[in-house]
Amino acid sequence: LAKTTQPISMDSYEGQEVNITCSHNNIATNDYITWYQQFPSQGPRFIIQGYKTKVTNEVASLFIPADRKSSTLSLPRVSLSDTAVYYCLVGDTGRRALTFGSGTRLQVQP
Amino acid sequence: KAGVTQTPRYLIKTRGQQVTLSCSPISGHRSVSWYQQTPGQGLQFLFEYFSETQRNKGNFPGRFSGRQFSNSRSEMNVSTLELGDSALYLCASSPTGLTGTNEKLFFGSGTQLSVL
Repeated sequence: LAKTTQPISMDSYEGQEVNITCSHNNIATNDYITWYQQFPSQGPRFIIQGYKTKVTNEVASLFIPADRKSSTLSLPRVSLSDTAVYYCLVGDTGRRALTFGSGTRLQVQP
Repeated sequence: KAGVTQTPRYLIKTRGQQVTLSCSPISGHRSVSWYQQTPGQGLQFLFEYFSETQRNKGNFPGRFSGRQFSNSRSEMNVSTLELGDSALYLCASSPTGLTGTNEKLFFGSGTQLSVL
């Protein structure tokens, strides 16, 4: 099972771009990389997912280098409402459980 | 399309009691998985069901059990409650449960269980 490592916490200010990097050295060939966001007392919410290169949606971008041993979640122009815990996950293909690491606690200040 | 619904939202029990939590997945999703979240241990996988069969189980004692009905709704039961069982219990659904692929999990808001 590929293990992920990401910073425990990050601080930012409103309007800044935030980049959270996750390392997953043992990612399997077929595995996707998925990021979830979680607010207190709520379930995690899917943000973005990718396999290689760059993926962009309406809320974030995901950058994955060619070796796929890491990935970077980019949140453009964060606001106070982006204060949350962000989890990077990679899963064994075909496995039916997600292993959550500690996540990155992002605190956005005014 | 309705999201994943968990009931009840909050629950208070005393040690030794048992509790049953309910989860209604997104329509069409056949996989339901359960997670326990505590401040100390983070999010931990409990078990996963697909077509009424438990396919995978996390490292939890036998006091934690679950089941899935033919309509994909799922329940989890915790017997002989302990103080350490106080946690947010989250349910997630997906079409097939094959995480690691491009399939996404959709989580409910959870049931906050407090054991006194």
